[in-house]
Amino acid sequence: AAGVIQSPRHLIKEKRETATLKCYPIPRHDTVYWYQQGPGQDPQFLISFYEKMQSDKGSIPDRFSAQQFSDYHSELNMSSLELGDSALYFCASSRRGGSKNIQYFGAGTRLSVL
Amino acid sequence: AQKVTQAQTEISVVEKEDVTLDCVYETRDTTYYLFWYKQPPSGELVFLIRRNSFDEQNEISGRYSWNFQKSTSSFNFTITASQVVDSAVYFCALSAPYNFNKFYFGSGTKLNVKP
Repeated sequence: AAGVIQSPRHLIKEKRETATLKCYPIPRHDTVYWYQQGPGQDPQFLISFYEKMQSDKGSIPDRFSAQQFSDYHSELNMSSLELGDSALYFCASSRRGGSKNIQYFGAGTRLSVL
Repeated sequence: AQKVTQAQTEISVVEKEDVTLDCVYETRDTTYYLFWYKQPPSGELVFLIRRNSFDEQNEISGRYSWNFQKSTSSFNFTITASQVVDSAVYFCALSAPYNFNKFYFGSGTKLNVKP
């Protein structure tokens, strides 16, 4: 079965650079979520989208923005990168109204800011 | 406010031992969902189980079993006859039905299964 696809899997950037992370949800899933997991930490919710509209917002810095496109894929744009942005970024998808409302996670993008 | 506590930071067992991972949650909602995810060393988050607050039946899936007790706000996870491949970080998570948009994760329990 198709899973959530995230690209790239690994990304190395320098301070003050910009990064774009991509997420392709499971087919027919309409909701996308982004989480940030720092080293040794639990995943922290950043932002989510339902039917291309932002549906909830968590602890996402103003330097970050995200959107969901007409094909339901989502991109997380990160500007003016800081060392503290180094983390594993997860995308998850679910289908609103589905029988289980389970969030299925991608393999993550590991961002290293040098 | 929603909160999930996994008091066990790290557990080490020898293969074939049984191990229980504890999860205690806090919520004011009467309806909510509880989840367990496994994060192996490769990093991905693998869904294991979802339980809704109206269903207190325990569940068994192979060597895995889950004990949900609303009276103590706990959703514990037991691995029977542990194997080396069970070594991972296990996260318990909570979500509310009126807002499917976020999970509240516990801090995770790292399980080391030694041969």
